Amino acid sequence: ENVLTQSPGTLSLSPGERATLSCRASQSVNSDYLAWYQQKPGQAPRLLIYGASNRATDIPDRFSGGGSATDFTLTISRLEPEDFAVYYCQLYGSSPPMYTFGRGTKLEIK
Amino acid sequence: QVQLQESGPGLVKPSDTLSLTCAVSGASVSRDKWWSWVRQSPGKGLEWIGEICHCGITNYNPSLKSRVTISLDKSKNQFSLRLTSMTAADTATYYCTRDGDRGYSLAFWGQGTLVTVSS
Repeated sequence: ENVLTQSPGTLSLSPGERATLSCRASQSVNSDYLAWYQQKPGQAPRLLIYGASNRATDIPDRFSGGGSATDFTLTISRLEPEDFAVYYCQLYGSSPPMYTFGRGTKLEIK
Repeated sequence: QVQLQESGPGLVKPSDTLSLTCAVSGASVSRDKWWSWVRQSPGKGLEWIGEICHCGITNYNPSLKSRVTISLDKSKNQFSLRLTSMTAADTATYYCTRDGDRGYSLAFWGQGTLVTVSS
C-alpha cells in the first residue's frame, strides 16, 4: 500500500502570506491519481486539485498544485481568511483499486 | 448540478449492521461514474470505504472488505452501504461521493451523516 505523508501537521500563517503544503508518497505514483481537498469544520471535504495540478470547478487561481513521482505540493499564493482549514492529499491506487488519504495539514491563522 | 444526500440511522448498537442510503440528483447512477463511501471518525482523517460503478463492479478497502457491501438501486437512483458487526471504532461521519469527470478524485460529496455506535 502506498502511504501518503503530509507535512507539516500544522501550519500557522497570516492572511496575505503564501502557504506551501507537502504530500509525499512512499512509492512513485501516476500524477493523474493525486488530488487535494479542503475541509472546513462541520463541512464535507471539497475537491481543490485533481491530476496533481488541475484546479477543480470554481476553485480560485490562488490555489495551485504541482509535483511528480513521490513529492507533491499544494500552494496557496496569497491566503484569504476563508482558506484557513484542513487540507488532505489523496491518491487512487490500482493494486488494489482504492483511495488513500494523507492525515491532513491544518492551516491556522497566526 | 450533482447532489448527494445520505440517510440512515444516527445510532446503532454494537454488533448490529449499519445500512445507509445515498440519494442522487443531477446525475444517474446507472449511466456512468463511480460512487463511493468515505468516513471520518470524530476529529480524525478521511477513510475510504469502497466504491461501485454504474456497471455494478465494486472495490472495497481491504481493511473493511469482510464487512462491507455497496449496492446500486437504479430504479430509485441511489446507492447504499451495508457495514456489518459494528463497533465503537465505526463511529464516524459517513459521506457518499462521486468521482469527477477525469476520474481518480472525489468531486461531489454529500453533507455527511453522523453514525454513533453505542448500546
